[in-house]
Amino acid sequence: DAGVTQSPTHLIKTRGQQVTLRCSPKSGHDTVSWYQQALGQGPQFIFQYYEEEERQRGNFPDRFSGHQFPNYSSELNVNALLLGDSALYLCASSLDMDIKGEQYFGPGTRLTVT
Amino acid sequence: KQEVTQIPAALSVPEGENLVLNCSFTDSAIYNLQWFRQDPGKGLTSLLLIQSSQREQTSGRLNASLDKSSGRSTLYIAASQPGDSATYLCASRGGTSGSRLTFGEGTQLTVNP
Repeated sequence: DAGVTQSPTHLIKTRGQQVTLRCSPKSGHDTVSWYQQALGQGPQFIFQYYEEEERQRGNFPDRFSGHQFPNYSSELNVNALLLGDSALYLCASSLDMDIKGEQYFGPGTRLTVT
Repeated sequence: KQEVTQIPAALSVPEGENLVLNCSFTDSAIYNLQWFRQDPGKGLTSLLLIQSSQREQTSGRLNASLDKSSGRSTLYIAASQPGDSATYLCASRGGTSGSRLTFGEGTQLTVNP
C-alpha cells in the first residue's frame, strides 16, 4: 500500500518565478492538506482540499493556490516567489468521513528560492 | 485560535535516561492530539495519536498522555537511545481549528552515547 508521495524532492527557483508541487494521497484517502515548514519551526497549515474544492485555508496570501484532481491527487502552486517562501512543503492525506483519524504525511518537497 | 506550545525547545541527555517532552494547547475542544518525529531534512513520522476520549497511548518505549482539562500532553520516552535523536512535534486537531493540524514548534532531542 503506497503511502503519501510528493514530487519533486528538491527544487531551486529564483525570486519572482512560479512553482508547482505535487502530492498523491495514501490509497483510500480523499482529503489533502498542505503545510509549510520553515527552518526550525513547526509546520503551518496552508489549505485543505476535499471533493476538488478548497475547504479550509490558513493565513497565507493568494499567491498560494491549489488544485485537487478527480483521483484525489493535489497540486500546490506558488506565484511570484519570495525568498521567504523557502521551506519544506509537506502534504498530508486523510479520510474525510474519519474526522478523528490520523493524518499521514509525505516526505516533503524542499523549496529553495534564491 | 488554537495555540500549541512545546517545552523545552531543545534537550540533550545521556543514553539510557527516561525523559518527558511537554506540549500544551489553548483550546481544549480538540478531536485528538498527535505526536510526530522528524529527522533532519525529512518528513514527519507519526508516533502516537490520542483521541480526546483517551488518557494515554503506548507504543514500545513511547507513552503519550492527554489531559484535555488542563490543555496538556506529554510524551514519555523510556531508556533513551542515540537513535531517538530527532525533533519531536505535537499537533492538535479540532476545536476552533477544524480538521487542520495545529503544530507546536517542536523539541529537538539529542541523546548522547
